[in-house]
Amino acid sequence: DVKVTQSSRYLVKRTGEKVFLECVQDMDHENMFWYRQDPGLGLRLIYFSYDVKMKEKGDIPEGYSVSREKKERFSLILESASTNQTSMYLCASSLWGGPQHFGDGTRLSIL
Amino acid sequence: ELKVEQNPLFLSMQEGKNYTIYCNYSTTSDRLYWYRQDPGKSLESLFVLLSNGAVKQEGRLMASLDTKARLSTLHITAAVHDLSATYFCAAYRTGGGADGLTFGKGTHLIIQP
Repeated sequence: DVKVTQSSRYLVKRTGEKVFLECVQDMDHENMFWYRQDPGLGLRLIYFSYDVKMKEKGDIPEGYSVSREKKERFSLILESASTNQTSMYLCASSLWGGPQHFGDGTRLSIL
Repeated sequence: ELKVEQNPLFLSMQEGKNYTIYCNYSTTSDRLYWYRQDPGKSLESLFVLLSNGAVKQEGRLMASLDTKARLSTLHITAAVHDLSATYFCAAYRTGGGADGLTFGKGTHLIIQP
């Protein structure tokens, strides 16, 4: 089975902090994704990567950056956390044309 | 811009009944996905629909795709309590700056005994 592991289930940070969310997949998938999920808004794509060191902006990239130095790892970075970034963050990976497999999510609170 | 609309967003039904969730998408997409999410859990892939007329079934759930109408349906037959969850459809978009899925807002399904 595909395993997508997010480093933290729950995280509490303060405004202005730099926050790192880590995601690791064990199935050699080319594609990796970061979404945020908010009540009433569904899931929205933040960033996407289709290869090492490659990244593409999704629908809501503002305030975020990403890093993919190794194929199995995709990191989401909040450069200066703000309260409106309090959300559930979901990482996913996939092969080309295949379904996306999601991690368990990180519930991030910015105080 | 690809938009995905699901309806209904909330559905309460009794065990044993049949019902359909609808998923409309606004521009051409060559792949349509259905996911299930239980409270506090992540998303579980249910179906991948790749072509017009595709139909897939798993237990009491059946998904179909009409690419000409830009419509996918998720049909529930003889519902049971264990199917209570939130169901998302998602259409795959390519190009335009980012690949990835555009999700509907989800259908929160409650099945009562």
